[in-house]
Amino acid sequence: TQLLEQSPQFLSIQEGENLTVYCNSSSVFSSLQWYRQEPGEGPVLLVTVVTGGEVKKLKRLTFQFGDARKDSSLHITAAQPGDTGLYLCAGTSMEYGNKLVFGAGTILRVKS
Amino acid sequence: SQTIHQWPATLVQPVGSPLSLECTVEGTSNPNLYWYRQAAGRGLQLLFYSVGIGQISSEVPQNLSASRPQDRQFILSSKKLLLSDSGFYLCAWSGKERIEAFFGQGTRLTVV
Repeated sequence: TQLLEQSPQFLSIQEGENLTVYCNSSSVFSSLQWYRQEPGEGPVLLVTVVTGGEVKKLKRLTFQFGDARKDSSLHITAAQPGDTGLYLCAGTSMEYGNKLVFGAGTILRVKS
Repeated sequence: SQTIHQWPATLVQPVGSPLSLECTVEGTSNPNLYWYRQAAGRGLQLLFYSVGIGQISSEVPQNLSASRPQDRQFILSSKKLLLSDSGFYLCAWSGKERIEAFFGQGTRLTVV
């Protein structure tokens, strides 16, 4: 079973559209992170959220950590082809020995 | 600044042959070190986790082993590769206080 469930698994949209990707768990996480990965490369950290209810913005990307620290979302406004990639959420939880565990990822394709 | 080096980038090995993938970190001390395996376009499966020299936690039963002979060196090994060992292997490091992972470029292993 996946400790972090990501949805949707795959998303194909037109340039300029908005989208939201979700990351959910039944466990409480001390921190959650979002990474973006391009084919053949390692994931690159986008953001870390640590406080329940926290919202962080990175240009057109908005990240939110749920109040109960069990879920997170990534919202992209006016998507561009350069946003194409695999988006991964990851987190650490005392329940899992504070090891960094990853969701299965959301593959985003933005068409021009 | 911290850097992580992982090599080789690609590897083609016959079934039954041994494996050694190396990862080194520069610019930090006493990092947490990780080996992950990734199926095509999907999430990362944690294979091994190390909090210090000689301290290795194995996350899943498998044909692989890991060693940490020095503080900033992490090695992934196998005595006899199986076809099912093919995949994209990623090494990562994180600090102790703030567990955000920084990844190497990955190794594409194909067992033939």
